[in-house]
Amino acid sequence: SQQGEEDPQALSIQEGENATMNCSYKTSINNLQWYRQNSGRGLVHLILIRSNEREKHSGRLRVTLDTSKKSSSLLITASRAADTASYFCATTYDKVIFGPGTSLSVIP
Amino acid sequence: DTEVTQTPKHLVMGMTNKKSLKCEQHMGHRAMYWYKQKAKKPPELMFVYSYEKLSINESVPSRFSPECPNSSLLNLHLHALQPEDSALYLCASSQGGGSRDTQYFGPGTRLTVL
Repeated sequence: SQQGEEDPQALSIQEGENATMNCSYKTSINNLQWYRQNSGRGLVHLILIRSNEREKHSGRLRVTLDTSKKSSSLLITASRAADTASYFCATTYDKVIFGPGTSLSVIP
Repeated sequence: DTEVTQTPKHLVMGMTNKKSLKCEQHMGHRAMYWYKQKAKKPPELMFVYSYEKLSINESVPSRFSPECPNSSLLNLHLHALQPEDSALYLCASSQGGGSRDTQYFGPGTRLTVL
């Protein structure tokens, strides 16, 4: 069963713009992770934020977590065509559950 | 070495065939996972092995049979599959046996059942 919901389902932006994806979940979590998947291949781990953290940065990525609203956001700054992929949030408690994902297209 | 390898990359099988998917990691991880992913959907957890013991089976039909011969290897034995089992099968591993650790994914096996 899916726990998270992601918004938007699809996002199309121009290269250089910022992309923001949101994830909501329903139950308690230990941490929340974001993954990227290119065109039906394996998932690549991007960033993990623990339940007691509110914000985390990694290169052009910024993740926020609001446990009171049970939501997280992933911001990709200065997007590149190579960022075109599907992005999934995954919540972990007793097991990992993936959200439905956001399909990001970055137009050169 | 931070790589999880999966073989084969592609597999086409009939409903009466028996085949196996293989997954290998050499990161010293003690947990390994099988996921099933349909097109345009998120991965769905099938099985979790923790310290070489099956710890989670997400009510997967018995035509899928996992095996963990040692801490580096994970197999998924397939028998009498249905066309609706066609999907991308992903293997992953993590350092600990719990769910708090980052999971590292292999590239997947694209399975087609005719």
